[in-house]
Amino acid sequence: AQKVTQAQTEISVVEKEDVTLDCVYETRDTTYYLFWYKQPPSGELVFLIRRNSFDEQNEISGRYSWNFQKSTSSFNFTITASQVVDSAVYFCALSGSYSSASKIIFGSGTRLSIRP
Amino acid sequence: DAGVTQSPTHLIKTRGQQVTLRCSPKSGHDTVSWYQQALGQEPQFIFQYYEEEERQRGNFPDRFSGHQFPNYSSELNVNALLLGDSALYLCASSLASGGSYEQYFGPGTRLTVT
Repeated sequence: AQKVTQAQTEISVVEKEDVTLDCVYETRDTTYYLFWYKQPPSGELVFLIRRNSFDEQNEISGRYSWNFQKSTSSFNFTITASQVVDSAVYFCALSGSYSSASKIIFGSGTRLSIRP
Repeated sequence: DAGVTQSPTHLIKTRGQQVTLRCSPKSGHDTVSWYQQALGQEPQFIFQYYEEEERQRGNFPDRFSGHQFPNYSSELNVNALLLGDSALYLCASSLASGGSYEQYFGPGTRLTVT
């Protein structure tokens, strides 16, 4: 069975603080993709990153960084110097096969609030 | 290059009625997946269409059905609407034979059942 767990339901920090969103996944597949999506109040899912199971290199994109650790089945997301515009619900997700057409399984999401 | 489009944006229906939602995939994509996102929940996979056939299905009753047209656009039909069907319905498109994984989501259709 495949499962994504985001234990943090809500996080609230003051602007400019760093914040890490945790994600733990379960899968029996040897090849799979992991994702992070942002969902602002408008509702549209905004793609942030995709990582395949063979690539454990951490990635940094501006203020965003991702830490993928296969040994602990975790794919954590850090926002550095948070801004009010980062306020949204963030979903970690898993696709169970190395296919562009496989279904995506989402975690329950973390609601992030950045206070001015 | 148009992304994934969905129509309508919002819809209000009454219990027991039927509804049809529409999705046009990103240009060049041939696979369409549908997701239901209830308020405060994560998106849940409904089903996926490729080559005009349902290829995968999530844990949804037969009241939920779909169709894919030769131009790859898709419809989601829900019969005998229940209050619990109120949700944001998201469509995602992808290329089945693509060398890299890309799945794009549309803006969604917000369905309210009263």
